[in-house]
Amino acid sequence: NAGVTQTPKFQVLKTGQSMTLQCAQDMNHEYMSWYRQDPGMGLRLIHYSVGAGITDQGEVPNGYNVSRSTTEDFPLRLLSAAPSQTSVYFCASSRGTTSYEQYFGPGTRLTVT
Amino acid sequence: AQRVTQPEKLLSVFKGAPVELKCNYSYSGSPELFWYVQYSRQRLQLLLRHISRESIKGFTADLNKGETSFHQKKPFAQEEDSAMYYCALTPRGGSNYKLTFGKGTLLTVNP
Repeated sequence: NAGVTQTPKFQVLKTGQSMTLQCAQDMNHEYMSWYRQDPGMGLRLIHYSVGAGITDQGEVPNGYNVSRSTTEDFPLRLLSAAPSQTSVYFCASSRGTTSYEQYFGPGTRLTVT
Repeated sequence: AQRVTQPEKLLSVFKGAPVELKCNYSYSGSPELFWYVQYSRQRLQLLLRHISRESIKGFTADLNKGETSFHQKKPFAQEEDSAMYYCALTPRGGSNYKLTFGKGTLLTVNP
């Protein structure tokens, strides 16, 4: 199993550009989440999904869109990138209940200039 | 709303010394608490969860509801323990895909 994979590993965008961060998992997990990690801020939840076709907002959803058409994939879209979105983005998946571990991807480091 | 506070951004100890990483939380209901660790150039991974009361890599943590704390301890730190440690919370009966993280503590174990 590859676990949780994310692409790209690094990305530089100009302000106003759009892009999609890809996330995939091969563990048949129902639940997937996106977090951003900023220095001195820890990880903050952006969006999450409890199954295909079902998504919801986390703590910092503004400027990001998500969709979940399959169990495996959970892409994160930046429609118009802003410098404030410079961050490291982590995707995670789990079976959902608190007794199960949340598995994290390796992260995507995004810089918006 | 829930909040997780890790009072120390940086913690430095010598190899063989005891280490305690502190975590305080604010939540009106019953929480589920976790410790996650991120070693250099590796992905975030679960270290401890309070419901299982297990010891991983020599670390143990106790939930103190009176003090609303979930500190973790290790009696003899090793150089390979150097990493970023995050405390995280979710409401009991909630789900671990909606974790609230603290800001993290960077532990350095010196030789």
